[in-house]
Amino acid sequence: DAKTTQPPSMDCAEGRAANLPCNHSTISGNEYVYWYRQIHSQGPQYIIHGLKNNETNEMASLIITEDRKSSTLILPHATLRDTAVYYCIVRVTGANNLFFGTGTRLTVIP
Amino acid sequence: NAGVTQTPKFRVLKTGQSMTLLCAQDMNHEYMYWYRQDPGMGLRLIHYSVGEGTTAKGEVPDGYNVSRLKKQNFLLGLESAAPSQTSVYFCASSFTGGPPYQPQHFGDGTRLSIL
Repeated sequence: DAKTTQPPSMDCAEGRAANLPCNHSTISGNEYVYWYRQIHSQGPQYIIHGLKNNETNEMASLIITEDRKSSTLILPHATLRDTAVYYCIVRVTGANNLFFGTGTRLTVIP
Repeated sequence: NAGVTQTPKFRVLKTGQSMTLLCAQDMNHEYMYWYRQDPGMGLRLIHYSVGEGTTAKGEVPDGYNVSRLKKQNFLLGLESAAPSQTSVYFCASSFTGGPPYQPQHFGDGTRLSIL
């Protein structure tokens, strides 16, 4: 499985866009990029996933570079409730295991 | 709609005691999972099930047993608790493993301390 690298922590001003990077330089052609987040003391929550095209849903946008070696999760208007640990996961779809690393701790500042 | 419910939410055990953690989901999901999360670390998969009556080992299965007698329930057992099993345990479920990708839905965890 491709390994992911994320910054340990980031800050973002409330109302601004939060851009969370993820490097996955060893990703293979059949591996997807998934994003989950974990708000303090809660179970992880699915955000978005993609293969090679950019994706958008009601929570966030996912931008994947053309060579697929990195991606960025964008929260367009961060709120205090977006303060959480964000996990970038690369995995073959259909596999049962999600490997959660240590993620990026995003703090949204008032 | 309750989603994924874990029972109990907190528990303190003595070394050598046994206990069972219960996970229940009301979304008619086929797949269910048990993870553990230690301080400052990500989640690690203990066991999972792809359907009623089936179970399989994950990344860290030693010291745990599981059963999936009913589709909506997934039980995690500790036969002889050890301090190294002090952790937060999360249960999750999904329709299938994909494709297309089916997100995993998580419960709010069981905080287990073993003295």
